[in-house]
Amino acid sequence: DAKTTQPPSMDCAEGRAANLPCNHSTISGNEYVYWYRQIHSQGPQYIIHGLKNNETNEMASLIITEDRKSSTLILPHATLRDTAVYYCIVRVLNNAGNMLTFGGGTRLMVKP
Amino acid sequence: GAVVSQHPSWVICKSGTSVKIECRSLDFQATTMFWYRQFPKQSLMLMATSNEGSKATYEQGVEKDKFLINHASLTLSTLTVTSAHPEDSSFYICSATGRDRQPQHFGDGTRLSIL
Repeated sequence: DAKTTQPPSMDCAEGRAANLPCNHSTISGNEYVYWYRQIHSQGPQYIIHGLKNNETNEMASLIITEDRKSSTLILPHATLRDTAVYYCIVRVLNNAGNMLTFGGGTRLMVKP
Repeated sequence: GAVVSQHPSWVICKSGTSVKIECRSLDFQATTMFWYRQFPKQSLMLMATSNEGSKATYEQGVEKDKFLINHASLTLSTLTVTSAHPEDSSFYICSATGRDRQPQHFGDGTRLSIL
């Protein structure tokens, strides 16, 4: 799996958009970008994934650059409950159930 | 959405005890389940990958005789920590994925404390 690089921590004001960057410059053509988050003392929660097109769901938006070497997860209106560690992971999507390799992630602190 | 249930959520026991943790997929068939371990202030580390009906594949450095994994059905996998010692105290998390290439979904973890 391609390695990812994320800032270790970020702050965001409540109600503002949180933009979390991720670099994955060695990503392969068949690797997807996945985002998970882990709230303290809970298991990771799936947020969103994409290949090359921008994606949006009820939780967040994922913006992937045209060269696919980086992406940004956007939480449009951050709340205090969005405080968590956010993990950006790249891996091949297939039926083999490939494992996820977690890096250090970004610790997002949403402040009142 | 897909739900993975993990039980118990926390357990405290004496050194030398064996502890079993269950991981269930509630609304999908989990052909593959993964077991992770997480120490305080660290990221998740994969321990083993388990495919239904076959032996688990363990990551380097994980003792297969100490961490017994059973994945006998498409909805249940168990991790047994045998003869647990204080150094086995950690946060154990399972995840599951099905045949339709859905994302992995995680349980809420089991906090194991060995006294």
